[in-house]
Amino acid sequence: EAGVAQSPRYKIIEKRQSVAFWCNPISGHATLYWYQQILGQGPKLLIQFQNNGVVDDSQLPKDRFSAERLKGVDSTLKIQPAKLEDSAVYLCASSLDSFNTGELFFGEGSRLTVL
Amino acid sequence: EDQVTQSPEALRLQEGESSSLNCSYTVSGLRGLFWYRQDPGKGPEFLFTLYSAGEEKEKERLKATLTKKESFLHITAPKPEDSATYLCAVQALGNTGFQKLVFGTGTRLLVSP
Repeated sequence: EAGVAQSPRYKIIEKRQSVAFWCNPISGHATLYWYQQILGQGPKLLIQFQNNGVVDDSQLPKDRFSAERLKGVDSTLKIQPAKLEDSAVYLCASSLDSFNTGELFFGEGSRLTVL
Repeated sequence: EDQVTQSPEALRLQEGESSSLNCSYTVSGLRGLFWYRQDPGKGPEFLFTLYSAGEEKEKERLKATLTKKESFLHITAPKPEDSATYLCAVQALGNTGFQKLVFGTGTRLLVSP
């Protein structure tokens, strides 16, 4: 079974530039999550999709972050403009559904460095 | 506000030296408690789910237990390959009525041969 795919693995940008991360979840998983993990901290939920609808984006900095999940499959997370404090690993995860969260399957993450 | 606190932040053990990691939580309406393992440069990998106080789960050298306020991850006779960051997460009901996971900051475990 293929796992959660993310790209790019690494990205270095200057502050005020924009960046986009892509995620392809496990086939058949209705729920997709984007987490931000700053070095030395645990993952923090940014946004949660159930199929192609947003069910929780309470911790997403909406003035600079946006995310979409087209057709309930792939998802893109965008940051524009980036700030120094956005340097982190962006983890995508998927699960069967949001009602019985159960086990989340994580991708390897996209490491962002903002200079 | 839902909170998860893990201790210690870091732990160094000799191979074969057993120990325990702690996860204490404050959550309204616990649906489940999860343990994940995270290797450097990788995403977290699921280990266990615990749902009720008194429940225990085992996998190789790891055993997870749950009380009403905390969970322990016991590591018996660890090996160097057990070195990783161990993350605890609680499953809570979000504001929108959907379940979500809230993670702690993790315990970095280093097992020396």
